[in-house]
Amino acid sequence: GAGVSQSPSNKVTEKGKDVELRCDPISGHTALYWYRQSLGQGLEFLIYFQGNSAPDKSGLPSDRFSAERTGGSVSTLTIQRTQQEDSAVYLCASSPSRLAGGETGELFFGEGSRLTVL
Amino acid sequence: DAKTTQPPSMDCAEGRAANLPCNHSTISGNEYVYWYRQIHSQGPQYIIHGLKNNETNEMASLIITEDRKSSTLILPHATLRDTAVYYCIVRVQGGSEKLVFGKGTKLTVNP
Repeated sequence: GAGVSQSPSNKVTEKGKDVELRCDPISGHTALYWYRQSLGQGLEFLIYFQGNSAPDKSGLPSDRFSAERTGGSVSTLTIQRTQQEDSAVYLCASSPSRLAGGETGELFFGEGSRLTVL
Repeated sequence: DAKTTQPPSMDCAEGRAANLPCNHSTISGNEYVYWYRQIHSQGPQYIIHGLKNNETNEMASLIITEDRKSSTLILPHATLRDTAVYYCIVRVQGGSEKLVFGKGTKLTVNP
């Protein structure tokens, strides 16, 4: 596809269950980001990948959260033992190059995965 | 990264120019100003970015003051589809790769 694809678009789970959220970035984009947005709130940074490595994991809220990226493409965000406060829209974005040079400011966002923990 | 201050909400009449202000008084010389917007239930969308010169593209214009302590995003002819939350972000060149989103300005374009 032409854009960032995320799945599932909606996920309802019970407290204590594990969930996996998937992100397919735009082909060729080396940078990948995960954000989350709770109801009525702004975007909260979770983790950034450059290729397969994650130089910035500073936004992961607890050790229940983890993410991996394989083959420099698809990324999976895993939340273990989900809690009600994990309910949010989880957004993935990709970028074609490192932003460090400032030459490009554009992150391309997916439509998000809405997670509801009952 | 420097912090930004934006009004929480603004209104604009359809067809008129929407001028969205942003203060970034602690911006440093190597920090760029970025603007994104988020239409309800969608992911954020990049609009424009700049360092010191004014910038224009097909979506908007970005006016940065000479001292770089504030900027204004201008939507020249606002439409109902421009109703969204607009985020002003500054980030250092060569620093952390993440964009830090604040609360933004909720722009409502009225018919």
